[in-house]
Amino acid sequence: NAGVTQTPKFQVLKTGQSMTLQCAQDMNHEYMSWYRQDPGMGLRLIHYSVGAGITDQGEVPNGYNVSRSTTEDFPLRLLSAAPSQTSVYFCASSPHWGSGNETQYFGPGTRLLVL
Amino acid sequence: AQKITQTQPGMFVQEKEAVTLDCTYDTSDQSYGLFWYKQPSSGEMIFLIYQGSYDEQNATEGRYSLNFQKARKSANLVISASQLGDSAMYFCAMREDSWDDMRFGAGTRLTVKP
Repeated sequence: NAGVTQTPKFQVLKTGQSMTLQCAQDMNHEYMSWYRQDPGMGLRLIHYSVGAGITDQGEVPNGYNVSRSTTEDFPLRLLSAAPSQTSVYFCASSPHWGSGNETQYFGPGTRLLVL
Repeated sequence: AQKITQTQPGMFVQEKEAVTLDCTYDTSDQSYGLFWYKQPSSGEMIFLIYQGSYDEQNATEGRYSLNFQKARKSANLVISASQLGDSAMYFCAMREDSWDDMRFGAGTRLTVKP
């Protein structure tokens, strides 16, 4: 049971490049989400999904796309990277709200630097 | 409007003493959950404790307890017998019944002094 895994651990991009941050979980959780963490800002929700085929925007969705074709995977795509997207990105998963265990489990994070 | 407020950017505590980290929240939902996470310098997010809005007793997990005051909308984390390894960022978070997301506070950096 690996929990929530994220790849890569660290990435450097040039402005305008695109990339996909990978996230996978093996706990059969319905809910998955992406956060970014900037200094002094805590974690801010980018996008989330309540199940395969269903995604929705969070607090800071601009510049990011997501899809959820399977329960296990929830990739985050940056279409045209900007320096403002330099951050640490966390993926998280949890059972559905109201299931009795609402704890979110986090991946180890991806540190992204956009030059 | 801020959903979660942590008013202490930094806190210091002497080893073996207890410390309280403050958290207030804003919601109109009747059903919600409150969480505390620890983030050490290595960067991972570690779940510490959970309190449901309908739980009548304060949650406890080992040296961690959550002082839940529903009327005041506060959910303070109490760490008893602080250890050097407790030095980290601590985040308070809330998940509401009407929203499928979790909102985090800005965090409190705790430093335990030997």
